[in-house]
Amino acid sequence: QVQLVQPGAEVKKPGASLKVSCKASGFTFTNYNMHWVRQAPGQRLEWMGWINAGSGNTKYSQMFQGRVTITRDTSASTVYLELSSLRSEDTAVYYCAVSYIGWCDYWGQGTLVTVSS
Amino acid sequence: QSVLTQPPSASGTPGQRVTISCSGSSSNIGSNTVNWYQQLPGTAPKLLIYGHNQRPSGVPDRFSDSRSGTSASLAISGLQSEDEADYYCGAWDDSLNGPVFGGGTKLTVL
Repeated sequence: QVQLVQPGAEVKKPGASLKVSCKASGFTFTNYNMHWVRQAPGQRLEWMGWINAGSGNTKYSQMFQGRVTITRDTSASTVYLELSSLRSEDTAVYYCAVSYIGWCDYWGQGTLVTVSS
Repeated sequence: QSVLTQPPSASGTPGQRVTISCSGSSSNIGSNTVNWYQQLPGTAPKLLIYGHNQRPSGVPDRFSDSRSGTSASLAISGLQSEDEADYYCGAWDDSLNGPVFGGGTKLTVL
């Protein structure tokens, strides 16, 4: 079955960079697009970008353009989210999701990122 | 970033039918299908509805959706206590070339 496994939590200082992983299993990783979506406390889901796991092509939301990079390691069936110049407003749960049936069908359990000095 | 609009709360009693609305625009709901998600506290969103009223395996047929123009609705019939959760709509947005989401509706089963 489709599984996306993420680390549980990270704590970062303002100005630092973040790199979160998402390991996929149960499907052919390179056949699908992988997304990153975040949810700040009490806020709506916010799409950050996607990567075609086969070609490596990416598309980012303008909200994060210049600060976000999504990469993948096909040998490890893992997708990564990098976010730079962290600020307190970046405190959120970061989810990876796969476009398996349509788009953002199956989600990882989320990584809670806390940005605090 | 364009967003979808949902009511913040909804409620019903066991056995009732409740609906949750989702309003968007021509670049998202007006031209693409809508996903509906259920999110229990502390967990990831779970896909309930995708495409044209399609349900992933395991999702009961008590959940259904409809669409008219730039709006969509999720209907839950035979309401059960375990349906108490947050519900989010999402739609692919052609301007963004990515998905947009509603603010979520907290469903309370009285």
